[in-house]
Amino acid sequence: EAQVTQNPRYLITVTGKKLTVTCSQNMNHEYMSWYRQDPGLGLRQIYYSMNVEVTDKGDVPEGYKVSRKEKRNFPLILESPSPNQTSLYFCASSLSPDSTNYGYTFGSGTRLTVV
Amino acid sequence: RKEVEQDPGPFNVPEGATVAFNCTYSNSASQSFFWYRQDCRKEPKLLMSVYSSGNEDGRFTAQLNRASQYISLLIRDSKLSDSATYLCVVGGYSGAGSYQLTFGKGTKLSVIP
Repeated sequence: EAQVTQNPRYLITVTGKKLTVTCSQNMNHEYMSWYRQDPGLGLRQIYYSMNVEVTDKGDVPEGYKVSRKEKRNFPLILESPSPNQTSLYFCASSLSPDSTNYGYTFGSGTRLTVV
Repeated sequence: RKEVEQDPGPFNVPEGATVAFNCTYSNSASQSFFWYRQDCRKEPKLLMSVYSSGNEDGRFTAQLNRASQYISLLIRDSKLSDSATYLCVVGGYSGAGSYQLTFGKGTKLSVIP
């Protein structure tokens, strides 16, 4: 089954403790992206990747890092999480960023709480 | 700044009703348009792409008016299973040359028995 897999689904952590949220897709998509969703703000892009070893900042990159060493994986790294990074995170992938027919496929989401 | 504006709702409609959602976008250079559906606490899923000629998929009809920078979604014969938040999404290239999707905040629909 074609899918984007995120782990973990839920995570509660303490301020400053480094964490990684994994994202993997099995569709051979070149484009991958991370979003956060907060009440009243909608989805905002954190980082995206056009292909292996090609990443760039989205609208809200502060406090996050990403890497794209393999085509299928695009982990999101929080080096020193803070409470304002408490949010619902989604990973998405697509054949290309401007895929008009198929849109983006999203992972099931990771609900992160930083205390 | 690119913006996509939607009425947040909620829209509470009885089963069988016809409901219409509207969306406006600020970037006249936008190139692609979508409606996504998001169930509570779940991931957004593509409902339909929106084309200039308008398009229909069963009970759902989407229309695009580029001159007015306006997108609509019409749902006929509403079902209980249509209850969800509907996201208007617009894609285009930024000044830096990167392609980006801009998401509206969503319109919540509740279909009532």
